[in-house]
Amino acid sequence: NAGVTQTPKFQVLKTGQSMTLQCAQDMNHEYMSWYRQDPGMGLRLIHYSVGAGITDQGEVPNGYNVSRSTTEDFPLRLLSAAPSQTSVYFCASSQMDRGGTEAFFGQGTRLTVV
Amino acid sequence: AQSVSQHNHHVILSEAASLELGCNYSYGGTVNLFWYVQYPGQHLQLLLKYFSGDPLVKGIKGFEAEFIKSKFSFNLRKPSVQWSDTAEYFCAVNDNQGGKLIFGQGTELSVKP
Repeated sequence: NAGVTQTPKFQVLKTGQSMTLQCAQDMNHEYMSWYRQDPGMGLRLIHYSVGAGITDQGEVPNGYNVSRSTTEDFPLRLLSAAPSQTSVYFCASSQMDRGGTEAFFGQGTRLTVV
Repeated sequence: AQSVSQHNHHVILSEAASLELGCNYSYGGTVNLFWYVQYPGQHLQLLLKYFSGDPLVKGIKGFEAEFIKSKFSFNLRKPSVQWSDTAEYFCAVNDNQGGKLIFGQGTELSVKP
């Protein structure tokens, strides 16, 4: 079972460069999200999507862009990388269910901006 | 807006000691509650979850948590920790629409052999 797949696992960028972090899930989940993890701050929500064609901002959206053209994929774009975006990024997916569902996480992408 | 607070940032225990990690949330409606664990260098894995019913929930690896609605708390417990429990633990909450998870700051647990 592939679950949630993120690529790349590691990336070093120079300030000002752009890049896309890939996320794909094979569980037909409606909900997908991106988090960044920083020491002492837990996981903070960047952007999320409740289905193909629908995205919304989370807690820390500035400097990031997302789109959801298919149910499976939810890429995160860094428009112009800054050192403050050095972090570990996690993609997650879950079903939308009033009864409550758990989120499944990818392995993470460790990004360093120099 | 929902928020989650974990009171302990770093806990150091010896093997066989008992563990309790605090988690409080702020949200007035029906919530779903989770504890996730992140072992060093790995992604988050679900330890246990509470959706409804018995407020005492049991998870994997001997962990349990108790939902106390009047205190807006969902504390994680384990009677006897092992060295392999060394990890970071995150409490999280979402509303009953599913989807968006709000995380606490995390608690780093170090267990000394």
